[in-house]
This record gives sequence, C-alpha cells and structure tokens, in this order.
Amino acid sequence: LAKTTQPISMDSYEGQEVNITCSHNNIATNDYITWYQQFPSQGPRFIIQGYKTKVTNEVASLFIPADRKSSTLSLPRVSLSDTAVYYCLVGDRDRDDKIIFGKGTRLHILP
Amino acid sequence: KAGVTQTPRYLIKTRGQQVTLSCSPISGHRSVSWYQQTPGQGLQFLFEYFSETQRNKGNFPGRFSGRQFSNSRSEMNVSTLELGDSALYLCASSLEIAGGGSYGYTFGSGTRLTVV
Repeated sequence: LAKTTQPISMDSYEGQEVNITCSHNNIATNDYITWYQQFPSQGPRFIIQGYKTKVTNEVASLFIPADRKSSTLSLPRVSLSDTAVYYCLVGDRDRDDKIIFGKGTRLHILP
Repeated sequence: KAGVTQTPRYLIKTRGQQVTLSCSPISGHRSVSWYQQTPGQGLQFLFEYFSETQRNKGNFPGRFSGRQFSNSRSEMNVSTLELGDSALYLCASSLEIAGGGSYGYTFGSGTRLTVV
C-alpha cells in the first residue's frame, strides 16, 4: 500500500463545504484511492473510491489530479453528523490483501 | 441485504481468560478480515481469511488466532487475556472480484472487549 499523508484534524462549520486532501506521492499504476468514514465505537464505512479524475456519489466527491499524487475528498454542506474520522487508503486489492489504516483526519463540525 | 454482524457487542473478561468473537459476513462475501482498534494504536490489522484459509496475518502474538468456516462465518480467539487486549475488535468482509483492485470492505459495528 502506498504511504498516505493527511491532516490530523480539521474544523469546519455546518453548511460549509469541506475538502480533505490526502498526499500519496508513491502511488502505483494499478492503485485505487479509497476513503472511509468512522464514527466513535463503530466500524469504518466506505465512502467513495476512484482511480482518476472525478468521482461523485450521493455522499461525497473525490477529485484526483492527472499525476494522481494526491486526492481530495469533498463533503458538500456538512452537518454536525459529519463529525468523524476520515481515512484515505491507496492500494491495489489484487496485490495487497489487507487494508492498512493510517491515523486519518479527525473532522469536527461546529454549529 | 444484511450487513456484517458481530457478536457479542460488548464483553467483559478477566485477565488470563480466553474469549471468542464471532463475525458473519455479508452473504456471498468470502473474504473476512479482523482489526483491533485502540485509542493509542488506531486500527491494526490482525488477519484475513478467504475460503477457510488464513491469507494474511498482522503483527500480533500467537495468543490471537482465528478461523473461517465453510459458510464464510469467522471467529477470532484471544487466549490468556491481558489488560492491553481491551479494544474494539472489528470484522470486515469483501466481495473479491478478480482484477477489480477495489478496497470496498464492509465493516461490522465491532465487539467492545474490556479486560479487567
């Protein structure tokens, strides 16, 4: 799995758009970029995954530049319930059979 | 469809005892992974099973073991419990698609183990 770097924590306010950036300079050709969300005392929840350009689902968007050395998770109009830890993972499931989680980004949404 | 089910949800054990945790994956998922989460160490990989075979193992002592049954249900066992084994134990299942490259794991809610 490629090493990832993301901010330890972030604060934002309800209704704002939040962008969390993840750096992965040594991403390999077949690696996918996956984001998980975790609330206290719950298991991580798959949010979004992408390979290149932009991916959007009902929860978030994922922006990946052409060089793929970073990615940005975008959460539109956050609410208090978006307060959680967000993990960025980069790897190829066919090569790496296990997920290695980093420390993640602790997002705190303020009223 | 039903998600990943972990039982029990909470457990209190005494040092030196052993414990068995259970995980039922999503129907059709053959890969089951186990993780330990503590405030200090974060999420740490324990092991992964696929078709009843352990395919990967993390850096944990031999007191931690697991197995997978033919219906893909998995159990993990911790023997000779220590205070430091207190943690949230999470199970995740996934549907393997050859060439998919995806990390689309589904996690259960975990078992909160407290060792006293």
